[in-house]
Amino acid sequence: KQEVTQIPAALSVPEGENLVLNCSFTDSAIYNLQWFRQDPGKGLTSLLLIQSSQREQTSGRLNASLDKSSGRSTLYIAASQPGDSATYLCAVRGNYGQNFVFGPGTRLSVLP
Amino acid sequence: GAGVSQTPSNKVTEKGKYVELRCDPISGHTALYWYRQSLGQGPEFLIYFQGTGAADDSGLPNDRFFAVRPEGSVSTLKIQRTERGDSAVYLCASSSGTSGSLGANVLTFGAGSRLTVL
Repeated sequence: KQEVTQIPAALSVPEGENLVLNCSFTDSAIYNLQWFRQDPGKGLTSLLLIQSSQREQTSGRLNASLDKSSGRSTLYIAASQPGDSATYLCAVRGNYGQNFVFGPGTRLSVLP
Repeated sequence: GAGVSQTPSNKVTEKGKYVELRCDPISGHTALYWYRQSLGQGPEFLIYFQGTGAADDSGLPNDRFFAVRPEGSVSTLKIQRTERGDSAVYLCASSSGTSGSLGANVLTFGAGSRLTVL
C-alpha cells in the first residue's frame, strides 16, 4: 500500500528566501506525482504535475523534481513571498489505479 | 461550469441522520473523484468515477457510504446513519481523463463540503 510522507510538517521563513519542501513515497511504481496548494478553508489547486518518465517540472518560481527510484520529490520555491503562505501537498498516482494518494502536507508561512 | 462546484458548503446534522453531498464537475470532465479530509491531514481517497461507473470504490470506509453519477456529470455522495467520526471536509475533484495527455491527470478540486455530525 502506497504511503506518502512530507517533511517538514510546518515551515516558517522570512520573505525572499528560497525553500525546499520534501515528499517521500514508499512504492516507486508511480504513474505521476502532483504538487498542490491549499489555502485555509479552500480546495486544492494543482501547481505542478510530473510524469514518472520526467525528472522535473517548472512553473514560474516553482520547480518540482522527481527521483522515482528513491521515492522522493521536492518542491523548490524561489524568492518566497507572503502570498505563498499555504499548505503544500504532494500526491502520487500508482501504475495500477486511478486514485491519488496524498501526503499530510507542509504548512508554509512566509513572513513579511 | 468554470470550476468544480460543491453543495452544500456546510452541513450540520445529528448522529443517525442521512446526508447527501453534491458535486458538479467541470463540463466535459469524464473522471470524478471524492476525497475526505480531516483537520491537519491530507485528503483520503473515497471513490473514483470514469463516466457513469464507479471504477474504484475501494476507499469507501463502510456500507453507510455510497456515491452515484447517473448521467456522467453531477455526482452525489450519500452517507446513511451518520456518525460523529464522519465529520470532515468532503472534497470533489474532476479531470478530463485517466491517461494520455498530461492535462488529463490534472485534478481540479472544488471548495469542499464541511460536514459536522453532532
